[in-house]
Amino acid sequence: DTGVSQNPRHKITKRGQNVTFRCDPISEHNRLYWYRQTLGQGPEFLTYFQNEAQLEKSRLLSDRFSAERPKGSFSTLEIQRTEQGDSAMYLCASSPPGGRPDTQYFGPGTRLTVL
Amino acid sequence: QKEVEQNSGPLSVPEGAIASLNCTYSDRGSQSFFWYRQYSGKSPELIMSIYSNGDKEDGRFTAQLNKASQYVSLLIRDSQPSDSATYLCAVGGNNRLAFGKGNQVVVIP
Repeated sequence: DTGVSQNPRHKITKRGQNVTFRCDPISEHNRLYWYRQTLGQGPEFLTYFQNEAQLEKSRLLSDRFSAERPKGSFSTLEIQRTEQGDSAMYLCASSPPGGRPDTQYFGPGTRLTVL
Repeated sequence: QKEVEQNSGPLSVPEGAIASLNCTYSDRGSQSFFWYRQYSGKSPELIMSIYSNGDKEDGRFTAQLNKASQYVSLLIRDSQPSDSATYLCAVGGNNRLAFGKGNQVVVIP
């Protein structure tokens, strides 16, 4: 399977704990995006990388959230001191170089439950 | 900040009928428009993209775009039970997608 992959697929944690999610984009896709989706809502943009550079961050990305993309390949999203309001599906998407940057392909997501 | 609205409630259609979904957006400068299908518990799957006014057909799906009215629609012809899902309208620009809340479609055999 050459699609976007995300790990873990599910994460249950206690409030206050830190969690880290990983995204591996489609091979050769240099653009990578993180979104968050809560029940009954559409995905909301969190942040965008082009290669290793984080070019845009949403105001939704509080200082408890940090994202990295070392070497422009996989990306990680860390949430520190989790809160119950962080419970959501965290989606990663990628898009290829040279094409329209907003033609994005999503991974299966990581569902986070904060108890 | 783009706003994308999908106001229709759940849509029930008999198998073989046409399902029609609508979406409006607020940013008149938007250039890229997408429809994603999302099955329950799964991630969004890109099914249609449209960039210019008019219709674009792909199999049983037709997307329609009217930039003057800031309106995008999706028609699903010959609806099948496997089309039962939530359909998300997305508007692109500035390296991000803005999504509507989605419309649930239920195809009744």
